[in-house]
Amino acid sequence: DTAVSQTPKYLVTQMGNDKSIKCEQNLGHDTMYWYKQDSKKFLKIMFSYNNKELIINETVPNRFSPKSPDKAHLNLHINSLELGDSAVYFCASSQVAGANVLTFGAGSRLTVL
Amino acid sequence: QQPVQSPQAVILREGEDAVINCSSSKALYSVHWYRQKHGEAPVFLMILLKGGEQKGHEKISASFNEKKQQSSLYLTASQLSYSGTYFCGSNNNAGNMLTFGGGTRLMVKP
Repeated sequence: DTAVSQTPKYLVTQMGNDKSIKCEQNLGHDTMYWYKQDSKKFLKIMFSYNNKELIINETVPNRFSPKSPDKAHLNLHINSLELGDSAVYFCASSQVAGANVLTFGAGSRLTVL
Repeated sequence: QQPVQSPQAVILREGEDAVINCSSSKALYSVHWYRQKHGEAPVFLMILLKGGEQKGHEKISASFNEKKQQSSLYLTASQLSYSGTYFCGSNNNAGNMLTFGGGTRLMVKP
């Protein structure tokens, strides 16, 4: 059983479209995250949810909207996609919030044409 | 503030040693090390808390120098499986999220 699973693994879409990435963890962790990894490999935190509550919202365009229906799921919806949104998006979870050990999902590679 | 990693890239022959450094301009509470193989997710290696401790994982160990605000990752007798990008993540107190460095790409050749 995969600990942190995200779908889809690959996403190719046109500029201006809206897309979603889903994430689920079966570790019983309280905190979930979205990270963006660009072509230069920088790993930047975007959002963090603790028990369905948003606790971190870094400087991210409001075209990005996370949603956590329960503490095991964290989805990312992106409106009006732009070329610069092309990246690998990683979902991660940790037992509690703060500097806890992160378990990452396999990543979702988004390509905007 | 993002920690700074050095070097950015290193190429080794199997059996050689390497050191990767992670420095911060702010006081550190903890440093985490992760390894990401090509096309895969980052995987946790070890965590170091302030106190200058050293930790080990296989033939990989790390130190944490609180005064110098830096951590170093030591890869001894490298194996092909060590290839990947190594990230350090740091924070300056227990409640803060990690901020990751830019990564160090390590390639081990036969």
